[in-house]
Amino acid sequence: LAKTTQPISMDSYEGQEVNITCSHNNIATNDYITWYQQFPSQGPRFIIQGYKTKVTNEVASLFIPADRKSSTLSLPRVSLSDTAVYYCLVGEKGSGNTGKLIFGQGTTLQVKP
Amino acid sequence: SAVISQKPSRDICQRGTSLTIQCQVDSQVTMMFWYRQQPGQSLTLIATANQGSEATYESGFVIDKFPISRPNLTFSTLTVSNLSPEDSSIYLCSVDINYGYTFGSGTRLTVV
Repeated sequence: LAKTTQPISMDSYEGQEVNITCSHNNIATNDYITWYQQFPSQGPRFIIQGYKTKVTNEVASLFIPADRKSSTLSLPRVSLSDTAVYYCLVGEKGSGNTGKLIFGQGTTLQVKP
Repeated sequence: SAVISQKPSRDICQRGTSLTIQCQVDSQVTMMFWYRQQPGQSLTLIATANQGSEATYESGFVIDKFPISRPNLTFSTLTVSNLSPEDSSIYLCSVDINYGYTFGSGTRLTVV
């Protein structure tokens, strides 16, 4: 399973765009990159998943370069409610497989007014 | 995505006792995962529970301390046995259905 490295913490202000980069140098061919968000006293919540290039949904964008050794989660115009821990994970996708999620340390994002 | 009901949401237990945590999913799933999250830390995978077979434990976790049951495709329990203060953590179950993993809301265990 590929190990991931992220910044431990980041600060931002309301209305700004936040980019959190994750390194995963040993990513395997079958691995997908998935980001989760965790608020205090809650389980992690799926944000976005991608394999290559760019993926966008109503919450965030995920940029993955051609070598797939890193990825960047982009949160547009953050608000105070985006204050949370963000985890980057790498692993196989899909039900029924033996893939399991191994969490790294995550990035604590603090959004200030 | 799946809906997971995890119970209890929190408990305070005496040393030496055990706590059983239940996880109910609204869909049939092949595998269920149990995690521990110690205060201020990330999540650590305890074991993977397959229906009809013994759970697969990660390094550092043993069946005697964390027995798991998986009687059907929608339900699992994790027991934390012979509790000590070091077991005070949040315990979460998780499933993977088609697209991403869904987590229960967690069980906050405090051992006194």
